[in-house]
Amino acid sequence: AQKITQTQPGMFVQEKEAVTLDCTYDTSDQSYGLFWYKQPSSGEMIFLIYQGSYDEQNATEGRYSLNFQKARKSANLVISASQLGDSAMYFCAMRETSGGSNYKLTFGKGTLLTVNP
Amino acid sequence: DVKVTQSSRYLVKRTGEKVFLECVQDMDHENMFWYRQDPGLGLRLIYFSYDVKMKEKGDIPEGYSVSREKKERFSLILESASTNQTSMYLCASRPIGLAGVTQYFGPGTRLTVL
Repeated sequence: AQKITQTQPGMFVQEKEAVTLDCTYDTSDQSYGLFWYKQPSSGEMIFLIYQGSYDEQNATEGRYSLNFQKARKSANLVISASQLGDSAMYFCAMRETSGGSNYKLTFGKGTLLTVNP
Repeated sequence: DVKVTQSSRYLVKRTGEKVFLECVQDMDHENMFWYRQDPGLGLRLIYFSYDVKMKEKGDIPEGYSVSREKKERFSLILESASTNQTSMYLCASRPIGLAGVTQYFGPGTRLTVL
């Protein structure tokens, strides 16, 4: 069963507007974490933001914020004031414990964001 | 800064060849990972390694093997390359513990099997 679902294959946003990228997840663990990554056309994976399941406040990093709704099992990424350089593929990923303190990630299929001037 | 390097950015091989993809990290990380990335499928885990000489299968290990003889180096091996292994391969590493710490990714190797 798919553990991370990103329902938007592609999204368009006007420069300077805000955009929300959706991510829902499925887990029976009480302790887990959600990551968001950005992958520009150059291919490198850039870490954006992290939310732990026990974190009481939504994570924020500059223009990025994570709208974490635990009961709905959603962890949507909000980008405020979009810039042309935000055009990229965005991946949501969930941390899973692999025994002890070893963790692995399960990724969604990604959302391609295009920012229009 | 953490640095993860991969031996090649682009690689072209023939069907049936044995292919080695090398990954090196310079931060003494215990955990290392190999993913393949295909359009519309996201990143899928091939193999991961908790520590030297330790490995576990990921979600799509068929057709691949790995080697980790030294802590800093994690190799992905395609014993007999096939055209359906044409893909982008990403290596990553992270330290043990510290649940909120990200994986650090290499620049990727785009492999084409003809």
